[in-house]
Amino acid sequence: QKEVEQDPGPLSVPEGAIVSLNCTYSNSAFQYFMWYRQYSRKGPELLMYTYSSGNKEDGRFTAQVDKSSKYISLFIRDSQPSDSATYLCAMSGGGGADGLTFGKGTHLIIQP
Amino acid sequence: SAVISQKPSRDICQRGTSLTIQCQVDSQVTMMFWYRQQPGQSLTLIATANQGSEATYESGFVIDKFPISRPNLTFSTLTVSNMSPEDSSIYLCSVEKGYTFGSGTRLTVV
Repeated sequence: QKEVEQDPGPLSVPEGAIVSLNCTYSNSAFQYFMWYRQYSRKGPELLMYTYSSGNKEDGRFTAQVDKSSKYISLFIRDSQPSDSATYLCAMSGGGGADGLTFGKGTHLIIQP
Repeated sequence: SAVISQKPSRDICQRGTSLTIQCQVDSQVTMMFWYRQQPGQSLTLIATANQGSEATYESGFVIDKFPISRPNLTFSTLTVSNMSPEDSSIYLCSVEKGYTFGSGTRLTVV
């Protein structure tokens, strides 16, 4: 079993829909959880950063962490065609002092 | 957040040769990280580079294949040595905290 599981998709939704992206993990030592967006031929761009369990909102994006279930989610409201990209979850135990463990990424397509 | 400049952005190399990738950060950072993203795969940590000490390599990665230099707090290089087609990947650097990444080096080995 991989440390971080993420459905690679593709996930295709119509413009304006709410998108839900998810990852599960097995290492209970993970305390820091991130979501990255990666456009084709670009480096990953940090979208959301969350410590431990709970919710965090930033504009159209909401990140949720449930450490008891080892499950994290990213919600995108009012999705736009420009949100079409690969979304990667990542996590670490050390809060910046450790390298990150990534999911495989979900390829998201927002249909105009 | 730190801004990272990475170069080259892409290269096509002959098997058996070596390529050195550079990352320059606009602020001083203690730790830099090097990742590999193979086609269709996620990012995998290669090594952690602290200034003033030897790099720490993850399981499956060795110094002879991926030597790293960290001469100061704003710069690091990763060399991919004795390349084979299996080394064709995107290589990325990152820094502590901030969690920002360079734009990546797309390497094709022929």
